[in-house]
Amino acid sequence: QSALTQPASVSGSPGQSITISCTGTSSDVGGYNYVSWYQQHPGKAPKLMIYEVSNRPSGVSNRFSGSKSGNTASLTISGLQAEDEADYYCSSYRSSRTLVFGGGTKLTVL
Amino acid sequence: QITLKESGPTLVKPTQTLTLTCTFSGFSLSTSGVGVGWIRQPPGKALEWLALIYWDDDKRYSPSLKSRLTITKDTSKNQVVLTMTNMDPVDTATYYCAHKAANWNYALDYWGQGALVTVSS
Repeated sequence: QSALTQPASVSGSPGQSITISCTGTSSDVGGYNYVSWYQQHPGKAPKLMIYEVSNRPSGVSNRFSGSKSGNTASLTISGLQAEDEADYYCSSYRSSRTLVFGGGTKLTVL
Repeated sequence: QITLKESGPTLVKPTQTLTLTCTFSGFSLSTSGVGVGWIRQPPGKALEWLALIYWDDDKRYSPSLKSRLTITKDTSKNQVVLTMTNMDPVDTATYYCAHKAANWNYALDYWGQGALVTVSS
Protein backbone atom coordinates (compact mmCIF):
# COMPACT_ATOMS: atom_id res chain seq x y z
CA GLN A 1 0.00 0.00 0.00
CA SER A 2 1.78 3.16 -1.22
CA ALA A 3 1.72 6.20 0.99
CA LEU A 4 0.56 9.54 -0.33
CA THR A 5 3.40 11.71 -1.62
CA GLN A 6 4.41 14.83 0.29
CA PRO A 7 7.52 16.99 0.01
CA ALA A 8 10.03 16.08 2.70
CA SER A 9 10.45 19.65 3.81
CA VAL A 10 9.24 23.19 3.26
CA SER A 11 10.30 26.43 4.87
CA GLY A 12 9.19 30.01 5.16
CA SER A 13 9.76 33.18 7.09
CA PRO A 14 7.39 34.55 9.72
CA GLY A 15 4.43 36.25 8.10
CA GLN A 16 4.82 34.45 4.80
CA SER A 17 2.53 31.77 3.36
CA ILE A 18 3.53 28.23 2.52
CA THR A 19 1.76 25.36 0.81
CA ILE A 20 2.27 21.64 1.37
CA SER A 21 1.12 19.26 -1.34
CA CYS A 22 -0.20 15.74 -0.96
CA THR A 23 -0.41 13.65 -4.11
CA GLY A 24 -2.31 10.42 -4.41
CA THR A 25 -4.35 8.68 -7.06
CA SER A 26 -7.91 8.52 -8.29
CA SER A 27 -8.39 5.70 -5.76
CA ASP A 28 -7.81 7.95 -2.80
CA VAL A 29 -7.23 11.72 -2.91
CA GLY A 30 -8.76 12.19 -6.34
CA GLY A 31 -11.72 9.94 -5.76
CA TYR A 32 -13.10 11.29 -2.50
CA ASN A 33 -13.33 14.58 -0.63
CA TYR A 34 -12.06 12.86 2.50
CA VAL A 35 -8.61 14.35 2.92
CA SER A 36 -7.43 15.32 6.39
CA TRP A 37 -4.34 17.17 7.57
CA TYR A 38 -2.52 16.68 10.87
CA GLN A 39 0.09 18.74 12.69
CA GLN A 40 2.61 16.99 14.91
CA HIS A 41 5.08 18.69 17.19
CA PRO A 42 8.10 16.71 18.41
CA GLY A 43 7.18 14.13 21.01
CA LYS A 44 3.47 14.91 20.72
CA ALA A 45 0.48 13.15 19.25
CA PRO A 46 -0.85 14.40 15.90
CA LYS A 47 -3.53 17.08 15.93
CA LEU A 48 -6.30 17.32 13.35
CA MET A 49 -6.09 20.62 11.46
CA ILE A 50 -8.27 20.07 8.38
CA TYR A 51 -10.94 17.49 7.53
CA GLU A 52 -12.89 16.75 4.37
CA VAL A 53 -10.37 18.70 2.27
CA SER A 54 -11.09 22.19 3.53
CA ASN A 55 -12.94 22.19 6.84
CA ARG A 56 -11.35 23.38 10.08
CA PRO A 57 -12.26 21.89 13.45
CA SER A 58 -13.26 24.33 16.13
CA GLY A 59 -10.23 25.99 17.67
CA VAL A 60 -7.95 25.67 14.64
CA SER A 61 -6.66 29.00 13.37
CA ASN A 62 -8.14 30.30 10.12
CA ARG A 63 -4.54 30.74 8.94
CA PHE A 64 -4.79 27.05 8.01
CA SER A 65 -6.70 26.20 4.85
CA GLY A 66 -7.05 23.19 2.59
CA SER A 67 -7.91 22.57 -1.01
CA LYS A 68 -7.82 19.86 -3.66
CA SER A 69 -7.35 19.66 -7.39
CA GLY A 70 -7.47 16.32 -9.11
CA ASN A 71 -5.26 13.83 -7.29
CA THR A 72 -3.43 16.49 -5.26
CA ALA A 73 -4.55 18.06 -2.01
CA SER A 74 -2.87 21.08 -0.48
CA LEU A 75 -2.49 22.64 2.94
CA THR A 76 -1.77 26.36 3.04
CA ILE A 77 -0.58 28.17 6.13
CA SER A 78 -0.74 31.93 5.91
CA GLY A 79 0.88 34.46 8.24
CA LEU A 80 3.48 31.90 9.25
CA GLN A 81 4.33 31.85 12.96
CA ALA A 82 7.13 30.22 14.90
CA GLU A 83 4.64 27.87 16.58
CA ASP A 84 3.68 26.45 13.18
CA GLU A 85 7.05 24.72 12.94
CA ALA A 86 6.12 21.04 13.04
CA ASP A 87 5.62 17.96 10.91
CA TYR A 88 2.48 17.85 8.78
CA TYR A 89 0.75 14.73 7.49
CA CYS A 90 -2.08 14.31 5.05
CA SER A 91 -4.39 11.34 5.04
CA SER A 92 -7.09 10.15 2.69
CA TYR A 93 -9.86 7.63 2.51
CA ARG A 94 -8.89 4.84 0.13
CA SER A 95 -11.98 2.78 -0.61
CA SER A 96 -13.47 -0.04 1.45
CA ARG A 97 -13.34 2.05 4.61
CA THR A 98 -9.52 2.12 4.72
CA LEU A 99 -7.15 5.03 5.20
CA VAL A 100 -3.70 6.01 3.99
CA PHE A 101 -1.25 8.62 5.28
CA GLY A 102 1.31 10.71 3.49
CA GLY A 103 5.02 10.51 4.15
CA GLY A 104 5.01 13.73 6.14
CA THR A 105 6.48 17.21 5.60
CA LYS A 106 8.76 19.02 8.00
CA LEU A 107 7.94 22.73 8.14
CA THR A 108 10.76 25.02 9.21
CA VAL A 109 10.03 28.61 10.15
CA LEU A 110 13.17 30.56 9.32
CA GLN B 1 -14.52 15.39 26.72
CA ILE B 2 -13.03 12.61 24.62
CA THR B 3 -9.87 10.93 25.81
CA LEU B 4 -8.01 7.83 24.69
CA LYS B 5 -5.05 6.04 26.23
CA GLU B 6 -2.93 3.21 24.92
CA SER B 7 -1.55 0.50 27.18
CA GLY B 8 0.55 -2.58 26.67
CA PRO B 9 4.10 -3.90 26.85
CA THR B 10 6.98 -1.57 26.18
CA LEU B 11 9.27 -4.41 25.10
CA VAL B 12 8.48 -7.51 23.09
CA LYS B 13 10.75 -10.15 21.64
CA PRO B 14 10.95 -10.99 17.95
CA THR B 15 8.28 -13.50 16.83
CA GLN B 16 6.08 -12.68 19.83
CA THR B 17 2.54 -11.32 19.59
CA LEU B 18 1.88 -7.74 20.64
CA THR B 19 -1.39 -6.88 22.37
CA LEU B 20 -2.29 -3.22 22.81
CA THR B 21 -5.37 -1.86 24.53
CA CYS B 22 -6.98 1.50 23.85
CA THR B 23 -9.16 2.64 26.75
CA PHE B 24 -11.37 5.58 25.94
CA SER B 25 -13.96 7.84 27.50
CA GLY B 26 -16.32 10.56 26.35
CA PHE B 27 -17.95 8.62 23.52
CA SER B 28 -19.59 5.32 22.79
CA LEU B 29 -18.37 2.94 20.14
CA SER B 30 -21.97 1.93 19.52
CA THR B 31 -22.86 5.38 18.18
CA SER B 32 -23.47 5.42 14.44
CA GLY B 33 -20.50 6.70 12.45
CA VAL B 34 -17.94 6.40 15.24
CA GLY B 35 -14.77 4.38 14.95
CA VAL B 36 -11.44 3.79 16.68
CA GLY B 37 -8.26 3.41 14.70
CA TRP B 38 -4.66 2.41 15.31
CA ILE B 39 -1.73 4.25 13.77
CA ARG B 40 1.97 3.71 14.36
CA GLN B 41 5.10 5.80 13.90
CA PRO B 42 8.61 4.33 13.90
CA PRO B 43 11.19 6.63 15.48
CA GLY B 44 11.87 9.53 13.16
CA LYS B 45 9.53 8.23 10.50
CA ALA B 46 6.05 8.83 9.15
CA LEU B 47 2.65 7.85 10.45
CA GLU B 48 1.28 4.55 9.18
CA TRP B 49 -2.39 3.59 9.41
CA LEU B 50 -2.87 0.06 10.76
CA ALA B 51 -6.52 -0.70 11.43
CA LEU B 52 -9.92 0.75 12.16
CA ILE B 53 -12.99 -0.70 13.85
CA TYR B 54 -16.37 0.88 13.25
CA TRP B 55 -19.46 1.20 15.42
CA ASP B 56 -21.11 -1.59 13.44
CA ASP B 57 -18.17 -3.92 14.22
CA ASP B 58 -16.81 -3.68 10.69
CA LYS B 59 -13.04 -4.09 10.82
CA ARG B 60 -10.57 -2.78 8.25
CA TYR B 61 -6.84 -3.34 8.01
CA SER B 62 -3.83 -2.00 6.19
CA PRO B 63 -3.39 -4.33 3.20
CA SER B 64 0.33 -4.69 3.87
CA LEU B 65 -0.21 -5.85 7.47
CA LYS B 66 -3.62 -7.48 7.25
CA SER B 67 -2.35 -11.01 7.84
CA ARG B 68 -0.78 -10.00 11.16
CA LEU B 69 -3.44 -7.73 12.65
CA THR B 70 -6.63 -8.27 14.59
CA ILE B 71 -8.76 -5.47 16.01
CA THR B 72 -11.64 -6.02 18.41
CA LYS B 73 -13.85 -3.89 20.61
CA ASP B 74 -15.50 -4.27 23.99
CA THR B 75 -18.20 -1.63 24.03
CA SER B 76 -19.13 -2.29 27.66
CA LYS B 77 -15.55 -1.66 28.79
CA ASN B 78 -14.91 1.21 26.35
CA GLN B 79 -11.87 -0.58 25.00
CA VAL B 80 -10.40 -1.49 21.64
CA VAL B 81 -7.69 -4.12 21.40
CA LEU B 82 -5.13 -4.52 18.63
CA THR B 83 -3.02 -7.64 18.29
CA MET B 84 -0.07 -7.93 15.95
CA THR B 85 1.59 -11.29 15.45
CA ASN B 86 5.15 -12.23 14.59
CA MET B 87 6.73 -9.01 15.80
CA ASP B 88 10.01 -7.91 14.23
CA PRO B 89 12.49 -5.15 15.14
CA VAL B 90 11.12 -3.08 12.24
CA ASP B 91 7.82 -2.94 14.14
CA THR B 92 9.47 -0.80 16.81
CA ALA B 93 7.29 2.30 16.92
CA THR B 94 4.99 4.52 18.90
CA TYR B 95 1.50 3.11 18.56
CA TYR B 96 -1.43 5.52 18.72
CA CYS B 97 -5.14 4.92 18.96
CA ALA B 98 -7.49 7.62 17.71
CA HIS B 99 -11.20 8.45 17.55
CA LYS B 100 -12.82 8.58 14.14
CA ALA B 101 -15.34 11.36 14.16
CA ALA B 102 -18.92 10.33 13.50
CA ASN B 103 -19.82 13.22 11.25
CA TRP B 104 -16.46 14.09 9.73
CA ASN B 105 -15.65 11.55 7.13
CA TYR B 106 -12.54 9.56 8.00
CA ALA B 107 -11.00 12.26 10.18
CA LEU B 108 -9.23 11.23 13.38
CA ASP B 109 -10.07 14.07 15.72
CA TYR B 110 -8.83 12.80 19.07
CA TRP B 111 -5.62 10.85 19.66
CA GLY B 112 -4.08 9.05 22.58
CA GLN B 113 -0.66 10.02 23.85
CA GLY B 114 0.92 7.01 22.17
CA ALA B 115 2.74 3.96 23.49
CA LEU B 116 6.32 3.19 22.50
CA VAL B 117 6.87 -0.47 21.74
CA THR B 118 10.39 -1.77 21.24
CA VAL B 119 11.00 -5.11 19.57
CA SER B 120 14.29 -6.61 20.66
CA SER B 121 15.68 -9.86 21.93
